[in-house]
Amino acid sequence: AQSVSQHNHHVILSEAASLELGCNYSYGGTVNLFWYVQYPGQHLQLLLKYFSGDPLVKGIKGFEAEFIKSKFSFNLRKPSVQWSDTAEYFCAVSNQGGKLIFGQGTELSVKP
Amino acid sequence: DTAVSQTPKYLVTQMGNDKSIKCEQNLGHDTMYWYKQDSKKFLKIMFSYNNKELIINETVPNRFSPKSPDKAHLNLHINSLELGDSAVYFCASSQDPDYGYTFGSGTRLTVV
Repeated sequence: AQSVSQHNHHVILSEAASLELGCNYSYGGTVNLFWYVQYPGQHLQLLLKYFSGDPLVKGIKGFEAEFIKSKFSFNLRKPSVQWSDTAEYFCAVSNQGGKLIFGQGTELSVKP
Repeated sequence: DTAVSQTPKYLVTQMGNDKSIKCEQNLGHDTMYWYKQDSKKFLKIMFSYNNKELIINETVPNRFSPKSPDKAHLNLHINSLELGDSAVYFCASSQDPDYGYTFGSGTRLTVV
């Protein structure tokens, strides 16, 4: 069965630190990949997505992610985090079957 | 202009009651979904409708019954509520599921 794994349950950083959140998926076919963010008490918002082409995709708010097919990974990065980036981050995969499968989420806490 | 709107935002009810959550989207999308987010923030798909037809029905107790009167609405009715039903329920819509979803703001259901 298709699954998505996010390695870090809770990440704590100071402002201006660099961020990398890991995401691995298990599916052998063609996939579309997503990162969503959920700010405290809010709904999920799309940060970025990958369908094809350049494996390095840039999203909103300075986030980017790199698709490495050989590693089945789609890690999220940001060079310098801000306090306002404190949120829950979800990696998700769509296998062209009409269903979005989410990872278990990573809570990011940024200290001012 | 809210793209995907859910009502109510909060719902507190006693065990054994029957309740409904409404969802409407004004994006013209053909497909709508219900997701359940548990206390550990894990998101799991429950149902998906495409143009009023059920296309995804995950392993959900039959106390949960989605209803789609038209493609812009997907309501969730829950009978005989149990403590374990306490969660945040998110409605979402998409035009092409493989390109990501737009989520509603969620309904926090608390069963006491």
